[in-house]
Parts: sequence; structure tokens; C-alpha cells
Amino acid sequence: EIVLTQSPATLSLSPGERATLSCRASHNVSPYLAWYQQKPGQAPRLLIYDASNRATGIPARFSGSGSGTDFTLTISSLEPEDFAVYYCQQRSNWPYTFGQGTKLEIK
Amino acid sequence: EVQLLESGGGLVQPGGSLRLSCAASGFTFSSYAMTWVRQAPGKGLEWVSTISGSGGSTNYADSVKGRFTISRDNSKNTLYLQMNGLRAEDTAVYFCAKVLGPSYFDYWGQGALVTVSS
Repeated sequence: EIVLTQSPATLSLSPGERATLSCRASHNVSPYLAWYQQKPGQAPRLLIYDASNRATGIPARFSGSGSGTDFTLTISSLEPEDFAVYYCQQRSNWPYTFGQGTKLEIK
Repeated sequence: EVQLLESGGGLVQPGGSLRLSCAASGFTFSSYAMTWVRQAPGKGLEWVSTISGSGGSTNYADSVKGRFTISRDNSKNTLYLQMNGLRAEDTAVYFCAKVLGPSYFDYWGQGALVTVSS
């Protein structure tokens, strides 16, 4: 099973700042990695797939990068609605696995 | 507009059974694989199972293999998850989701809470 490790566990930033979230895989998953956003009491929302492709309707301030075992989600300038939990997910091998999440909180 | 609506959650005793349903609309249901993902209270996401558009191919997480069965009725645009031999550790919100391409999840239902407790 491929293990995804996200860092940091919690990220405290202010609106307007740049956020950088990391996801490290135990094996090469390139480019089959996605990022999801989840707000309290809501279902997750797909943001990025295949490491760098924005899903339908996702604002341009969200971008994904990386390859091999190291991937990054960048939010260029935080909006108030961006504070949430973010998960990465790999589809390179069964079983599909998620990271444990990074909580992005308001500083 | 894509809509997914889960139903069938509830409280069940350990060892019991429950069947979740997910009614889909707004897309050609039979053309897409579908999946179940669960989230234990206060925890992260766990992929549970995926079924192909035709229903001919299924995959399961080891944690549920042999106890859970995913199925679909394309004539009713409905996805199912039959859960047998339920354990306390199966307590979670179960989300159904539409699969984008091979295996990403682009539309999600609101979730159904399953609580396994005596």
C-alpha cells in the first residue's frame, strides 16, 4: 500500500498570504495524484488531478506541482473561503490512498 | 447539474448489516465508474470500493473485503453498498462519488452516517 504523508499537519496563515502544502508518497505515484478541499460538515471537493490539472470551476489561485514522490499544492493568495482541510490522494496503485490531511487555519 | 444523494445510514449493532444507496442524476450514470469513500468521526478519508460503469469490475479496500459488496443498477441510476459483519471501526460517514477518468472523485454526495454500536 502506498502511504501518503502530508505536511505540515496544521498551517496558520492570514488572508492574502501564500500557502504551500506538501504531500510525500512512499513510492513513485507520478503523475497520478489529486488534491481535495474539505470544509466542516461538507463533502470533499476535487481541486487538482494528475498533479497539476485544475478541476472544473477551480480558481486559478490553486495550483499543483511535483513528480515522483513529492507533490505540492500552492494557493497563491488566500481567500477567507480557502481555510479548510486539504487531502492528497493517489491512484497509481490499488488500494487508492489518501494523506492524513493538512488543516489550513486563519492566523 | 450532477447530484448524488445517499440514503440508508443509521445505527446498527456489531455483526449486523446495512445497505446504503446513492441516487444519481445529472449525468449518464452508466458511463462512469462510481466509488464509496468513508470518513470516521474526526478522521481523514478512506477509500472503500469502486465499481466500473457496467458493474463488471469491482475493487475493495482490504479493510472491507469479504464483508462489503458494491453494486449498481444502471436502469435506476443507483449505486449500492451492502455492508455485512459490521464492526465498531466501520462507524463513519459514507460518501458516494462519481469517478473522473480512471480514478479521481469529482462529484460527491452529502454523506450517510453509519454508526455501529451496541
